Amino acid sequence: GAVVSQHPSRVICKSGTSVKIECRSLDFQATTMFWYRQFPKQSLMLMATSNEGSKATYEQGVEKDKFLINHASLTLSTLTVTSAHPEDSSFYICSARHGTASTDTQYFGPGTRLTVL
Amino acid sequence: SQKIEQNSEALNIQEGKTATLTCNYTNYSPAYLQWYRQDPGRGPVFLLLIRENEKEKRKERLKVTFDTTLKQSLFHITASQPADSATYLCATTDSWGKLQFGAGTQVVVTP
Repeated sequence: GAVVSQHPSRVICKSGTSVKIECRSLDFQATTMFWYRQFPKQSLMLMATSNEGSKATYEQGVEKDKFLINHASLTLSTLTVTSAHPEDSSFYICSARHGTASTDTQYFGPGTRLTVL
Repeated sequence: SQKIEQNSEALNIQEGKTATLTCNYTNYSPAYLQWYRQDPGRGPVFLLLIRENEKEKRKERLKVTFDTTLKQSLFHITASQPADSATYLCATTDSWGKLQFGAGTQVVVTP
């Protein structure tokens, strides 16, 4: 149980285009989902917290107009990288919290490798 | 904010031996601390969670300790196997449930 999927697993796009990444909790409902990015050999950095039916909360330094997050249902959150540039190339990972308590475990998706040319 | 420090050097270990990884945090004592495994190009996989009032937690060949005085957690893999080769991440959780990760320590188990 507690499986989280991401789609696509890899995407290559041209500079200036927008890319949408989907995160789904397959066998549980997730009130809260999180989006992270990870550069090579570095730790996961939290970008934003996504709560179903409300606006996402972004971490300091993350541009909300560039990284659009939508959490329209209890099993789906999307991250759209708008007007992507080469510096946005990274590994994007989502997680879904299994339960409503802050102490509940987060389960991670397999990640999406974004390459912006 | 919390700073999580893990040994950045890869840990090379022979099969059958015990691997010990260190996680140090710098500021407040977290309510609990978690360990994850991450394989190349994949998302982290949850392994163990230990609460601040717990000294030790075990799961199969894995053991985690939590010393709030030293601000340190140790992660042990006993009877290590080549399949244990991966990067292991330590993470603390704040009161809102946000995870803060260390950079991870790579473990390489050779036959």
